Amino acid sequence: GQNIDQPTEMTATEGAIVQINCTYQTSGFNGLFWYQQHAGEAPTFLSYNVLDGLEEKGRFSSFLSRSKGYSYLLLKELQMKDSASYLCAVMDSNYQLIWGAGTKLIIKP
Amino acid sequence: NAGVTQTPKFRILKIGQSMTLQCTQDMNHNYMYWYRQDPGMGLKLIYYSVGAGITDKGEVPNGYNVSRSTTEDFPLRLELAAPSQTSVYFCASSGTDSQPQHFGDGTRLSIL
Repeated sequence: GQNIDQPTEMTATEGAIVQINCTYQTSGFNGLFWYQQHAGEAPTFLSYNVLDGLEEKGRFSSFLSRSKGYSYLLLKELQMKDSASYLCAVMDSNYQLIWGAGTKLIIKP
Repeated sequence: NAGVTQTPKFRILKIGQSMTLQCTQDMNHNYMYWYRQDPGMGLKLIYYSVGAGITDKGEVPNGYNVSRSTTEDFPLRLELAAPSQTSVYFCASSGTDSQPQHFGDGTRLSIL
């Protein structure tokens, strides 16, 4: 079957750096997406990786290793507004997104 | 820019009732999707459409129906509501199948 694993919850301190990991086993691979979802709101797109390596976008970076079935989202200079759930999603061979359950990130002052 | 608009935002239904969740997008996207999101679980694809007049089942289509008569609109129909359909429903759209999906604000549905 298809499976996306990410930690359920993480806690970090304002101003620090946090890395949220995602491992996947899917039937085919056509890219990996990271979304941010604040409580009670819609998911919003953060990043997309289809080739191995690091993609940097401001305070957020995303890394992919296709051979290891592994990605991480790196958040730097954490702000209170970064408290949210972070969803990892893999596009399978049918170009459908398989979603992880999300990682709830709690930022403490 | 409105993006993806869903109505209603909240609804309570009795078991056996029917309703339609509305979704419209103004980005001229060909691809549209319906997901449900349950606590502690990833988004599950219910139905999707690759263009007007074309729809296909996702992972959890039972108990739902869709239609796509125009590029803009993609309504989701629940015919006989069951408690298992209590969930948050999200509609999304994208320009192509590999582009990021844009989500509506969701419909919070309770079946009692």
